[in-house]
Amino acid sequence: DIVMTQSPLSLSVTPGEPASISCRSSQSLLHSNGNNHLDWYLQKPGQSPRLLIYLGSTRASGVPDRFSGSGSGTVFTLKISRVEAEDVGVYYCMQAQQTPLTFGGGTKVEI
Amino acid sequence: EVKLVESGGGVVQPGGSLTLSCAASGFTFVDFAMHWVRQAPGQGLEWVSLVGGDVRHKVYADSVKGRFTISRDNSRNSLYLQMNSLRTDDTALYYCVKDDGDGYNFDYWGQGTLVTVTS
Repeated sequence: DIVMTQSPLSLSVTPGEPASISCRSSQSLLHSNGNNHLDWYLQKPGQSPRLLIYLGSTRASGVPDRFSGSGSGTVFTLKISRVEAEDVGVYYCMQAQQTPLTFGGGTKVEI
Repeated sequence: EVKLVESGGGVVQPGGSLTLSCAASGFTFVDFAMHWVRQAPGQGLEWVSLVGGDVRHKVYADSVKGRFTISRDNSRNSLYLQMNSLRTDDTALYYCVKDDGDGYNFDYWGQGTLVTVTS
């Protein structure tokens, strides 16, 4: 199974400032088609998770452009250019390369 | 509008059984794989199982293999999870999740149904 490791476990941010979350996989998520099969999800307090980024860097529908994903192979980053109060919650990375699909442990973002 | 509505959760004793259902609407159900993802209280997300649109392709996490059975009824736009031999560590909120059809990306999630396994 592919193990996903996120850091930090928690992050205290100031509105208007940037934030960054790291995710590492135990195996490469780079497919032969050139895509990285890595997703980012945000679970706001009391809500179901929501897809933010797929294929490592593609924003999902309706996701603000302050969110960006980057990386390749085994190292990935989610960046928020200017944090807003509504961005609080737990961020998860997930490898979509192979089953069993596996999530990172989550990064809790607080204001 | 895509909607996924889970039902069937509840309290069950260890060793018992439960069947979860998910009613889907707002998209062509047969065209997309569907997943179950669970979240134990205060914990992270764990993928449980998937079923392809054609029903034949099914995959399970090792933690539930041999105990849980995923199925779908495309005529009813419904997804199911039959859970047998339940253990206390199966206690979780179970989410019904739609695949986006582009490689295991979860583009819509239900609100979840809570399963509590306790004696």
